[in-house]
Amino acid sequence: NAGVTQTPKFQVLKTGQSMTLQCAQDMNHEYMSWYRQDPGMGLRLIHYSVGAGITDQGEVPNGYNVSRSTTEDFPLRLLSAAPSQTSVYFCASTTVRSGGSSYNEQFFGPGTRLTVL
Amino acid sequence: GNSVTQMEGPVTLSEEAFLTINCTYTATGYPSLFWYVQYPGEGLQLLLKATKADDKGSNKGFEATYRKETTSFHLEKGSVQVSDSAVYFCALTYSGGSNYKLTFGKGTLLTVNP
Repeated sequence: NAGVTQTPKFQVLKTGQSMTLQCAQDMNHEYMSWYRQDPGMGLRLIHYSVGAGITDQGEVPNGYNVSRSTTEDFPLRLLSAAPSQTSVYFCASTTVRSGGSSYNEQFFGPGTRLTVL
Repeated sequence: GNSVTQMEGPVTLSEEAFLTINCTYTATGYPSLFWYVQYPGEGLQLLLKATKADDKGSNKGFEATYRKETTSFHLEKGSVQVSDSAVYFCALTYSGGSNYKLTFGKGTLLTVNP
């Protein structure tokens, strides 16, 4: 198993450019999510998906789009990059169980470091 | 809403010193609590977890006990090593429905010197 993979590892964009950050998992997880990590802010949830065709907004969704056409892939799109989107982006996935106190470990990708000039 | 507060870093210790990183939370219902670790240049890895009150999570010499009365989940290790240098995140999920959304603290950078 490759686990959660992300590409690219590093990216530099100019303000106004668009790009897609790729995320894929081979664990057949229903739930996938995108976080951004900024100094002193911890990780904040951008968007998430509970299955193919289903997406929803997290804490900081503005400026980002997502889609989930397959179980394996969950790309994050920046339509018009801004310097405020300079960050490290992490994709994560887990299984979804209903109710109870059970916990499903979330598996994180290695991250994409994005700089917007 | 749910929130996690953990002690500000950075924390710098000598090898074999005792480590405590404080974490408190605010949540409705009965959250599950976690510590994640991020080694330099890597993604996050689950370090330990506790899913109900009074549970103790442990892994790699680290421990944390879920204290509902004080809404705390402090991370401890009796003798740290240089290889423990990393950023540590306390986090929770709310078990009342969306039990897969993680809410993170801001992270604590630990540096262990030889």
